[in-house]
Amino acid sequence: AQSVAQPEDQVNVAEGNPLTVKCTYSVSGNPYLFWYVQYPNRGLQFLLKYITGDNLVKGSYGFEAEFNKSQTSFHLKKPSALVSDSALYFCAVRDRGGYNKLIFGAGTRLAVHP
Amino acid sequence: NAGVTQTPKFRVLKTGQSMTLLCAQDMNHEYMYWYRQDPGMGLRLIHYSVGEGTTAKGEVPDGYNVSRLKKQNFLLGLESAAPSQTSVYFCASSSLAGGRGEQFFGPGTRLTVL
Repeated sequence: AQSVAQPEDQVNVAEGNPLTVKCTYSVSGNPYLFWYVQYPNRGLQFLLKYITGDNLVKGSYGFEAEFNKSQTSFHLKKPSALVSDSALYFCAVRDRGGYNKLIFGAGTRLAVHP
Repeated sequence: NAGVTQTPKFRVLKTGQSMTLLCAQDMNHEYMYWYRQDPGMGLRLIHYSVGEGTTAKGEVPDGYNVSRLKKQNFLLGLESAAPSQTSVYFCASSSLAGGRGEQFFGPGTRLTVL
C-alpha cells in the first residue's frame, strides 16, 4: 500500500536555527514527492517537488528537501528559520493510480520562536 | 488570474440539511479534486474528476456526491448532512500536461454540522 508518514506532530525551532521536517514514504517504483505549506485559515501552497534527478531539491521561500532512496525519506529543510515560517507542513506522494492524485501525510506543525 | 476559488467560505448546517459547495478554477486544468481536512489526519480525497462530465470516488466518498458539468467547475454536494461531516473542505486542480504536476488548492470551506 502507498503511504506517507510524518513522524512529528510538531517541530519547535528558534529563529535563525536550521529546521528539518521529516517525511518517509512507502510506494513501489520511483516516487514523485511533494511538500506543501498551509498558513492559518488558508489553502495549501506548493513548496517543492521531487520527480527525478538531483536528490537535493530547492523550492520556494528558501526551503529545500533531500530525497534519500535507501531511507525512503524526503525531509524538508531550511538553513535559517523565520518566525513567518510557522505553519502546517504536508508531505505527499503521487498516487500510482494516476491523474496526479496525491496521498498526504498527517502534517507537521512548525513553530518558530523568536 | 484567480486560481482556484471556493464558495462559501463558512457554513453551519443542521443534521439532515443539504448543501452544495462550489469550486471554480480559471487555469483550464483537466483534473479537479475534493478533499476534507481533519485534525491529525491530513487531507483525504473525497471525489475527483479527470475531465468534464466525469467523476470518480476517492478514499472517503460516502455521504457526498459530485458533478462536473463544466470544465472549470466542480461541485460537492451533501444530501443529508451529519455531524461527522464537520470538517474543512478543500478543492484542488491539476494540469494533465506532463502527467506529474502539482495540485493547486482553493482557500477552503469550513463546514460545521450541528
